[in-house]
Amino acid sequence: GESVGLHLPTLSVQEGDNSIINCAYSNSASDYFIWYKQESGKGPQFIIDIRSNMDKRQGQRVTVLLNKTVKHLSLQIAATQPGDSAVYFCAENSGGSNYKLTFGKGTLLTVNP
Amino acid sequence: EAQVTQNPRYLITVTGKKLTVTCSQNMNHEYMSWYRQDPGLGLRQIYYSMNVEVTDKGDVPEGYKVSRKEKRNFPLILESPSPNQTSLYFCASRSRATRHEQFFGPGTRLTVL
Repeated sequence: GESVGLHLPTLSVQEGDNSIINCAYSNSASDYFIWYKQESGKGPQFIIDIRSNMDKRQGQRVTVLLNKTVKHLSLQIAATQPGDSAVYFCAENSGGSNYKLTFGKGTLLTVNP
Repeated sequence: EAQVTQNPRYLITVTGKKLTVTCSQNMNHEYMSWYRQDPGLGLRQIYYSMNVEVTDKGDVPEGYKVSRKEKRNFPLILESPSPNQTSLYFCASRSRATRHEQFFGPGTRLTVL
């Protein structure tokens, strides 16, 4: 079946640096891609999404880039802070009446002070 | 406060003893779903509901039941729990208008002995 994967399971950065979390997807029919953040002991929290007809979308300190040619998605976090330490999941919405989300396995981001 | 609540948060039970995990949302969302999260496997959808009295299977529905008699509640039922259902469970909801901004509950950690 279709799957969403991640290049790196862990990422460690220094406070103040920029972070880039990558994700590869395989379902070219997906119409939306979404990033979630999961802090320890909590449920996933929506960060940002991007529609498949866009290649870039910016939020507050975050930017998502979509490269459909190579089926690659990335989340950039500017000026990473200790509070950004969490597991980050990418997910794809394959459309249909279910609007089912298929989640990747996650990347653990650790921000060192 | 807009939120998704789950109960119990932690549960240890024995094989075969029926249990119910409750989920409730106060955002008047049409769509609700249940996920399980396992190490190395990410979040996988168990069941979902598009609205009251409308439910359908997700990716891993075996051994689970759900019901949606009221808009705000979406309980997950394990009629005869088995050890392979030991997992972290999340309930989520979203409105029909915001397809990807799912709101997740805090999670229920279930151990089946």
